[in-house]
Amino acid sequence: GAVVSQHPSWVICKSGTSVKIECRSLDFQATTMFWYRQFPKQSLMLMATSNEGSKATYEQGVEKDKFLINHASLTLSTLTVTSAHPEDSSFYICSAREELAGGRPSYNEQFFGPGTRLTVL
Amino acid sequence: QKEVEQDPGPLSVPEGAIVSLNCTYSNSAFQYFMWYRQYSRKGPELLMYTYSSGNKEDGRFTAQVDKSSKYISLFIRDSQPSDSATYLCAMSYSGGYQKVTFGTGTKLQVIP
Repeated sequence: GAVVSQHPSWVICKSGTSVKIECRSLDFQATTMFWYRQFPKQSLMLMATSNEGSKATYEQGVEKDKFLINHASLTLSTLTVTSAHPEDSSFYICSAREELAGGRPSYNEQFFGPGTRLTVL
Repeated sequence: QKEVEQDPGPLSVPEGAIVSLNCTYSNSAFQYFMWYRQYSRKGPELLMYTYSSGNKEDGRFTAQVDKSSKYISLFIRDSQPSDSATYLCAMSYSGGYQKVTFGTGTKLQVIP
């Protein structure tokens, strides 16, 4: 199957600093990437949908100025948590949807990255 | 009411048992139904997907969808310790915009 990587796999930072997380599709092109957050014993919550070359679409309740998303190429999307605080500590997971030839996306399959665990002290 | 309800478990079964995992949902517009497996501190991986109602089998795994009851199931036959993980159901609408809504996941432990 398609491979999605994330970097870093874990990060610890001080309150008030900014953290950048990268999501890469390694062997396919992804017009659309998704960013999720997962708290312990809770489900994945979609934060935003990232489209290559355009602004991200944020879900209700997600602060776009705090969680900056950039989808600079068909294989890379970045999530920057600005001025991180302890309540931002979570497991952040990205996924990418493969774009098939002819511009029609595959039925629904999203390939998930391994996740980034963020701890804000 | 959550769009997708899933019992968080944990569910403990002996090796070789048949495991039944279930989800209910409220939005009748969902058309695609998926099951993901997530190991601790890892991203989810797709196990199976089903479009609309019906059954689908893949090795030891069988997925069932009953749209009339808004109920989906995943059965694991001859469960193995390596099946120990959290299983998330997920679903989405048909069409180009395919936002996926996840259940909370059921933690499964298969005891040798």
